[in-house]
Amino acid sequence: AQSVTQPDARVTVSEGASLQLRCKYSYSGTPYLFWYVQYQRQGLQLLLKYYSGDPVVQGVNGFEAEFSKSDSSFHLRKASVHWSDSAVYFCAAEADSGTYQRFGTGTKLQVVP
Amino acid sequence: NAGVIQTPRHKVTGKGQEATLWCEPISGHSAVFWYRQTIVQGLEFLTYFRNQAPIDDSGMPKERFSAQMPNQSHSTLKIQSTQPQDSAVYLCASSSSTGGAYQDTQYFGPGTRLLVL
Repeated sequence: AQSVTQPDARVTVSEGASLQLRCKYSYSGTPYLFWYVQYQRQGLQLLLKYYSGDPVVQGVNGFEAEFSKSDSSFHLRKASVHWSDSAVYFCAAEADSGTYQRFGTGTKLQVVP
Repeated sequence: NAGVIQTPRHKVTGKGQEATLWCEPISGHSAVFWYRQTIVQGLEFLTYFRNQAPIDDSGMPKERFSAQMPNQSHSTLKIQSTQPQDSAVYLCASSSSTGGAYQDTQYFGPGTRLLVL
């Protein structure tokens, strides 16, 4: 069955530290992959997306993600986090272009001083 | 561009009542998606339309839930005889997707928070 897994429900990092949020997918082929951020009581905002090509994709606010076919992963990274990055981050996959997305359970990021 | 508009933002209903949620997609977008978000189940797909036609409703509960898109400017999600377990945030998203990969970004609305007492 198709699935998206985010193994870390919560991650706490110090302001200025680097960040990696993990995402693994299980699809028969290579899905389209996305990372979203959700601030408290708001909708989802797209950070970045991967369709094909360069496995490292750049997103907004200094975020990037790396696709790995061998590892079935799409991990999100940021070199230096800011307190305003505190939010819930969702990884999502789309089997075919224009179809619905399947989401992971989300990782709540807390940035501490 | 106002983005995806969802109304109401909050709705409280009593058990057994009907709830209708509205979504206005971004102008020119041809696809509309409905998702449900709960703490227990996370983000779940419900149904989607393309060019007003229903394409996939595999995520919709078979009873009490229905969705329509009578014109390209709005879609509705109706829940009949609401139950406490229907309490959730219902998210609508739209995209300009016609199947081409680079048109595929889904833009999400702020959601409607439904509470069934």
